[in-house]
Amino acid sequence: DSGVTQTPKHLITATGQRVTLRCSPRSGDLSVYWYQQSLDQGLQFLIQYYNGEERAKGNILERFSAQQFPDLHSELNLSSLELGDSALYFCASSVEGLNTDTQYFGPGTRLTVL
Amino acid sequence: GDSVTQMEGPVTLSEEAFLTINCTYTATGYPSLFWYVQYPGEGLQLLLKATKADDKGSNKGFEATYRKETTSFHLEKGSVQVSDSAVYFCALSVNTGNQFYFGTGTSLTVIP
Repeated sequence: DSGVTQTPKHLITATGQRVTLRCSPRSGDLSVYWYQQSLDQGLQFLIQYYNGEERAKGNILERFSAQQFPDLHSELNLSSLELGDSALYFCASSVEGLNTDTQYFGPGTRLTVL
Repeated sequence: GDSVTQMEGPVTLSEEAFLTINCTYTATGYPSLFWYVQYPGEGLQLLLKATKADDKGSNKGFEATYRKETTSFHLEKGSVQVSDSAVYFCALSVNTGNQFYFGTGTSLTVIP
């Protein structure tokens, strides 16, 4: 158990809809990262937050957005969903958000768009 | 741009065999290199890391050396066990812009 929690575990929705994925980092970790894992694209970095502020952006689509709240939990919002957004979404956390940090991954949320 | 290329799988080995999974990288600046492992139905967990050239990361019998001259970070283990069956990801993070890149993953199955 990494100490990172993600909810929900599974999500099934329809094209065009909007969903919110939630992540609670390990106790003491200030930085949160979001990743998308799909069969064709592999594991892609989406976005990173540190202590409530956006720190780095990866391959995140404009239809996706995220935020980190004062209690350090984070939410990833996916809107106007397409079939290709079906994937496993991982959240990870680390202490300081440095590139040398070890990232601790949650168990993931599996999103299925029908 | 920055990227990681790792050996395609799947790899099937007998118990106690020697394991090598190749990983090479392209990066500007001074990257940190990682190996993560993913067991079925779980998230990734760090196996080992190296944050500067010539560093050797090691954990649970696995080793990898950060070689700048060959831009490589190959994963090795002298004697694999059935419990090592998992998917292994090589990863790179760069301090310029704080970007993170993962390889495509190599699935390892160890048979008794």
